[in-house]
Amino acid sequence: GAVVSQHPSRVICKSGTSVKIECRSLDFQATTMFWYRQFPKKSLMLMATSNEGSKATYEQGVEKDKFLINHASLTLSTLTVTSAHPEDSSFYICSARDRQGLGTQYFGPGTRLLVL
Amino acid sequence: QKEVEQDPGPLSVPEGAIVSLNCTYSNSAFQYFMWYRQYSRKGPELLMYTYSSGNKEDGRFTAQVDKSSKYISLFIRDSQPSDSATYLCAMSRYSGGGADGLTFGKGTHLIIQP
Repeated sequence: GAVVSQHPSRVICKSGTSVKIECRSLDFQATTMFWYRQFPKKSLMLMATSNEGSKATYEQGVEKDKFLINHASLTLSTLTVTSAHPEDSSFYICSARDRQGLGTQYFGPGTRLLVL
Repeated sequence: QKEVEQDPGPLSVPEGAIVSLNCTYSNSAFQYFMWYRQYSRKGPELLMYTYSSGNKEDGRFTAQVDKSSKYISLFIRDSQPSDSATYLCAMSRYSGGGADGLTFGKGTHLIIQP
């Protein structure tokens, strides 16, 4: 149980295009999902917290117009990187918090974005 | 001072050895402590979840929390080459991260030599 999927697993795009990443909790409901970014050999940096049915809360320094987050249902959150640039190239990981029990966070497998 | 400090390693030990991984933190409000294992180019996998001070054992893994010293540890007994990965400590004020998400250490790269 407690599986989180992300799609796509890898994407290469041209500078200026927008990329959408999906995060799904497959066997549990998640009222809250988190989006992280990870650079090589660096820790996970929280970008934003996504609550179902409400606006996402962004961490300081994260542009909300650049990284659009939509949490449409209890099992799906999307992150759209708008007008992507090479500096947006990174590993993006989502996590979903199980609304039952301890509310443990489970992570997706990550999406590797490369902007050319 | 960063909120969570973790030695990035690499830490290289022979197969069968006991591994000790540690994190220190500065925020005394942290109450929930987790250890995640991350293989290269994969998402983190939850290994241990503990609340407040004390020990928790699960198979070959033991997590220790000392809130008075703001110090947490993960011990791996009878280490295997398949344990080679990056181990991230994470902590939060609230169960499941609450509104704050989780605060992570940088991760320790562990290598188990066959």
